[in-house]
Amino acid sequence: QKEVEQDPGPLSVPEGAIVSLNCTYSNSAFQYFMWYRQYSRKGPELLMYTYSSGNKEDGRFTAQVDKSSKYISLFIRDSQPSDSATYLCAMNRDDKIIFGKGTRLHILP
Amino acid sequence: DAMVIQNPRYQVTQFGKPVTLSCSQTLNHNVMYWYQQKSSQAPKLLFHYYDKDFNNEADTPDNFQSRRPNTSFCFLDIRSPGLGDAAMYLCATSRDSRVNEQFFGPGTRLTVL
Repeated sequence: QKEVEQDPGPLSVPEGAIVSLNCTYSNSAFQYFMWYRQYSRKGPELLMYTYSSGNKEDGRFTAQVDKSSKYISLFIRDSQPSDSATYLCAMNRDDKIIFGKGTRLHILP
Repeated sequence: DAMVIQNPRYQVTQFGKPVTLSCSQTLNHNVMYWYQQKSSQAPKLLFHYYDKDFNNEADTPDNFQSRRPNTSFCFLDIRSPGLGDAAMYLCATSRDSRVNEQFFGPGTRLTVL
């Protein structure tokens, strides 16, 4: 079992819909949970990070962590075409980041 | 604006011909990282510097080397590129070992002919 699992997609949703992106993990030692957004031919950009179980909101984005289920989610409200990108979940272990493979998201105008 | 800069953005080299990729940062961060990212894959950490201390990942091939002559610059040297080394190479920085806040450059896409 890989340490971090993420469905690669692609995921296509209409503009304005709520998007749900998810990752599962196997290592209970992970402490920080992050979401990066990566546009085509660009480097990843940190969107949000969380430390504990629960929700963290930032504008249209909400990150959710459930440590008991080893499951994290990113919700995007009122999705826009500019949200079309690859979203990578990431977690830290031993001062290193372990990335998921990323989910390609397409927001259809 | 403070940022991470990578040059060149696109690099084409021939099989076996050494190549050097460059990264500079204006963030004055202590830690610099090099990642390799292949298509539809997760970024894979190759090595990182905490200040001048070099940390090599166990599975990073010997073909890959790095130099950090000062705080601002870091180089990735590929001594004898193979076809399997074609990838996006990402440089990232963080202020310290709080790895939850890494800032990435735009990447260099390497093509090996």
